[in-house]
Amino acid sequence: GAVVSQHPSRVICKSGTSVKIECRSLDFQATTMFWYRQFPKKSLMLMATSNEGSKATYEQGVEKDKFLINHASLTLSTLTVTSAHPEDSSFYICSARRGGGRSYEQYFGPGTRLTVT
Amino acid sequence: ILNVEQSPQSLHVQEGDSTNFTCSFPSSNFYALHWYRWETAKSPEALFVMTLNGDEKKKGRISATLNTKEGYSYLYIKGSQPEDSATYLCALPGAGTASKLTFGTGTRLQVTL
Repeated sequence: GAVVSQHPSRVICKSGTSVKIECRSLDFQATTMFWYRQFPKKSLMLMATSNEGSKATYEQGVEKDKFLINHASLTLSTLTVTSAHPEDSSFYICSARRGGGRSYEQYFGPGTRLTVT
Repeated sequence: ILNVEQSPQSLHVQEGDSTNFTCSFPSSNFYALHWYRWETAKSPEALFVMTLNGDEKKKGRISATLNTKEGYSYLYIKGSQPEDSATYLCALPGAGTASKLTFGTGTRLQVTL
């Protein structure tokens, strides 16, 4: 149980276009989903926290107009990179949490490699 | 900002060797520590969630200990196998119910025959 899918796994887009990444919890309802970004040789950096039916909470330094997050249901959150630029090229990964509290595990998707040309 | 450090950054062992690595964190305001295993091209997999000082958890050949007073956790792998090759991440939640995890940079383990 506790499977999270992410689509697409890889995407190449041209500068100026927008890209949408989907994160789905397949066998459980996720009260909260998280979006992370990984820079080369760095750890996972939290971008935003997404709760179903409410606005996402963005981390300091993350542009909310650039990285649009929608959490329309308990099983789906989307991240849209708007007007993508080469510096947005990165590995984006989502996670979903089944319950509340800091000792609850987060279940991760396999990630999306975004390349902006 | 929570400072989570892992060492070593990478490790290369032979099949059958036992190994261990460290996650260090601030000892104040500790709530929980998560260990994950992240194999290439797969999703990070939750290994353990540890909450109590002195906790020891085990899953097959992998075990972990926790010392919240001095701010460290050890992950041990007994009799390493090639399939143990992965990056091992530790993460701690911050204050508040949002439970945002701060990750260490990970220890990349390579097990060869």
